[in-house]
Amino acid sequence: DTGVSQNPRHKITKRGQNVTFRCDPISEHNRLYWYRQTLGQGPEFLTYFQNEAQLEKSRLLSDRFSAERPKGSFSTLEIQRTEQGDSAMYLCASSPSLEPRYAFFGQGTRLTVV
Amino acid sequence: AQSVTQPDIHITVSEGASLELRCNYSYGATPYLFWYVQSPGQGLQLLLKYFSGDTLVQGIKGFEAEFKRSQSSFNLRKPSVHWSDAAEYFCAVGGSGNTGKLIFGQGTTLQVKP
Repeated sequence: DTGVSQNPRHKITKRGQNVTFRCDPISEHNRLYWYRQTLGQGPEFLTYFQNEAQLEKSRLLSDRFSAERPKGSFSTLEIQRTEQGDSAMYLCASSPSLEPRYAFFGQGTRLTVV
Repeated sequence: AQSVTQPDIHITVSEGASLELRCNYSYGATPYLFWYVQSPGQGLQLLLKYFSGDTLVQGIKGFEAEFKRSQSSFNLRKPSVHWSDAAEYFCAVGGSGNTGKLIFGQGTTLQVKP
């Protein structure tokens, strides 16, 4: 088990394009979280899944953002019609549902919108 | 609402000197508290956590933290800093309920002088 894996590590896109990120959690971790971290700030919660069910979404998650976890394993985060303000590090974390406090983070995907 | 404040945005210490990073939280119940470290362009690594019990907790890399309920603080300490400790440090509190969601402070950047 290599921990939480995120792909790609870096993404540069033009404003208005759509992007999709992938997160592979630690095996058998039922919970999966997405956070966004802008420069000089701490991570901010976006959304989380219990298996395939999306249980909570932050107000930060505008209509242009959608997250899925179709089979309760990997998750994708899609941003449509990207804006420069979407430039950030997108972090994924996973934890076992019986002990959700034990979250492990991936290396993140750095998005730059030009 | 829960919140975390890290009063020091940037701290510089000499190698071998002691270190204390401050963290204050606002939370209505018994908090779950964490310290994470982030190297440039990397994800978050858990240094230590407090859930209950002994208020002085030991972590990895020689770090420790003390939970003080009366002061709503969870300060991180290290008796002798190494150059490799230069990084960004985040304090976080577990959100309400049992979601596993974390609320982060804005971080403290540690610079180590030779």
